[in-house]
Amino acid sequence: KAGVTQTPRYLIKTRGQQVTLSCSPISGHRSVSWYQQTPGQGLQFLFEYFSETQRNKGNFPGRFSGRQFSNSRSEMNVSTLELGDSALYLCASSLDGTSGSWDEQYFGPGTRLTVT
Amino acid sequence: AQTVTQSQPEMSVQEAETVTLSCTYDTSESDYYLFWYKQPPSRQMILVIRQEAYKQQNATENRFSVNFQKAAKSFSLKISDSQLGDTAMYFCAFRKQGAQKLVFGQGTRLTINP
Repeated sequence: KAGVTQTPRYLIKTRGQQVTLSCSPISGHRSVSWYQQTPGQGLQFLFEYFSETQRNKGNFPGRFSGRQFSNSRSEMNVSTLELGDSALYLCASSLDGTSGSWDEQYFGPGTRLTVT
Repeated sequence: AQTVTQSQPEMSVQEAETVTLSCTYDTSESDYYLFWYKQPPSRQMILVIRQEAYKQQNATENRFSVNFQKAAKSFSLKISDSQLGDTAMYFCAFRKQGAQKLVFGQGTRLTINP
């Protein structure tokens, strides 16, 4: 079974531009979560999507947005990029997460975004 | 809100030694999970071990085991017979039951020396 894939793997953008990152979950997984990883702030939760609906959101400005498609693939968008948005963006997928039992989250390799 | 604290930014041990990574957390939730994730250099984050809060027995996975002290809100990871491939960043994480959001600690960079 293929793992979580993220595209592109590396990206260089200029301040003020916008960017879209993509995440394809493991087949059959319906939940996709996004995280930002920086040396200063560590790993921070951005948002989670389940069945095309945002189920949870972290404390990020409105410039960060996302969506999920009917095939569970997810995209996140950052508008008006700032230097501080330079980070490794990770997505993770899981089957469901709504039941009382535990299901594992699998992480993708990440997209390294550099804002200049 | 939940917080997770890892007080050891870096650790270094010799191959075959045993090492313990510390983690404390704060939460008012009663049902939750705790995890240790491993992020090798330039490689994907993978789950090392998990612990359900309602289980008193400490989780073990081969050379990896945890010491879960619920009252003290402490969750340490012990790696026995350490190997060069254990070199990585290790993150302690919290997740409340029914949610997907992971709250991570700042990480411990572990180096295993030959």
